[in-house]
Amino acid sequence: QVQLQESGPGLVKPSQTLSLTCTVSGDSISSGTYFWSWIRQPAGEGLEWIGRISPSGSANYNPYLKSRVTISIDTSKNQFSLKLSSVTAADTAVYYCARKSRRGDHDYWGQGTLVTVSS
Amino acid sequence: DIQMTQSPSSLSASVGDRVTITCQASQDISNYLNWYQQKPGKAPKLLIYGASNLETGVPSRFSGSGSGTDFTFTISSLQPEDVATYYCQHCDSLPYTFGQGSKLDIK
Repeated sequence: QVQLQESGPGLVKPSQTLSLTCTVSGDSISSGTYFWSWIRQPAGEGLEWIGRISPSGSANYNPYLKSRVTISIDTSKNQFSLKLSSVTAADTAVYYCARKSRRGDHDYWGQGTLVTVSS
Repeated sequence: DIQMTQSPSSLSASVGDRVTITCQASQDISNYLNWYQQKPGKAPKLLIYGASNLETGVPSRFSGSGSGTDFTFTISSLQPEDVATYYCQHCDSLPYTFGQGSKLDIK
């Protein structure tokens, strides 16, 4: 069974960099079949797609965040990561990692991790 | 970017009722439309992919239809466990975008 688990600091200071890692089990992220995404959700709001990465390391980002986002992949650890720089309170949200299938949908999700931006 | 507009934003229905949510895309997305269910404090769960295909293990009371710009999500007989927020999402092109959500509760 495929499982994804986000990890990282729950509190980040304004202007600093948010860093999260998603550890995948039950599937090999290097298999080539899937892309791996980050999605976030501010409290009480909707879902925002942040970006995705392929097993080969090719990444695509939401244009609204592109200047601040980096997604990377470590196939040896079966993990992929998110870095979001110059954070503000507006970046406070639950961050989810998810698997994007060839069909285009996100079929497996992590449980989500709350990141709060505050001094 | 393709904008996804869902309606209604909230609705209330009785157990056993038929419930319908619509999603409109700002341009033609063929059938690249997915529906998710999100219960409070939980991650979204995929229900429908490709506009009308039921994900494995999802009850058959859930269904989807549509193509192009107009899509419909239906629960044929509402159950208490269906209380949740439902989101559409297109996967036609990057960036993927979600509808604003439709919050469903029981009368």
